[in-house]
Amino acid sequence: EPEVTQTPSHQVTQMGQEVILRCVPISNHLYFYWYRQILGQKVEFLVSFYNNEISEKSEIFDDQFSVERPDGSNFTLKIRSTKLEDSAMYFCASTQRESIEEQFFGPGTRLTVL
Amino acid sequence: AQSVSQHNHHVILSEAASLELGCNYSYGGTVNLFWYVQYPGQHLQLLLKYFSGDPLVKGIKGFEAEFIKSKFSFNLRKPSVQWSDTAEYFCAVNPYTGFQKLVFGTGTRLLVSP
Repeated sequence: EPEVTQTPSHQVTQMGQEVILRCVPISNHLYFYWYRQILGQKVEFLVSFYNNEISEKSEIFDDQFSVERPDGSNFTLKIRSTKLEDSAMYFCASTQRESIEEQFFGPGTRLTVL
Repeated sequence: AQSVSQHNHHVILSEAASLELGCNYSYGGTVNLFWYVQYPGQHLQLLLKYFSGDPLVKGIKGFEAEFIKSKFSFNLRKPSVQWSDTAEYFCAVNPYTGFQKLVFGTGTRLLVSP
């Protein structure tokens, strides 16, 4: 069964460093999403992406964040200068169509900012 | 503010007990409703979803949920839980703004003792 994959599973970085979290969505999916979950808090929407453009973003997704689909398979989330409060589990998700249906989630990347 | 509320943060049950997890949302207009489950060490998986039609929806593993529009609720139920149902359960709402942003509740951690 096709699944969304994410790498790395755990990333530790120093405050102020740039990190890139990688996701490989399901191959025939066209809509991509990033969510995050700070420990003990709810899963929060960050951004949705379609046709090489951001379609919607939350207020969390400020200028420190960017997303990219650098090739036909990867979907990346970059945090330019990490802060302690960026420590969280980051989930990638994808769907095939815009119409409402199940989002398929990856296993997540745990980002720890020291 | 628009939000999704899950009333129970931690639930402990014995096997064969009945389960009901509450979910309320504060969005007006059309919404699409989901329950996701996250088993220990695994990624978020869809349990069930409601878009329209019969307000009682059945999902995988014997779960069901009832949409009560007048109460803005979408409670999850299972008549008889098993030890393998130990997981975290998330209610999510798509406010149907045109894209599939999901707004999650805080989650309910269920522990089923054998």
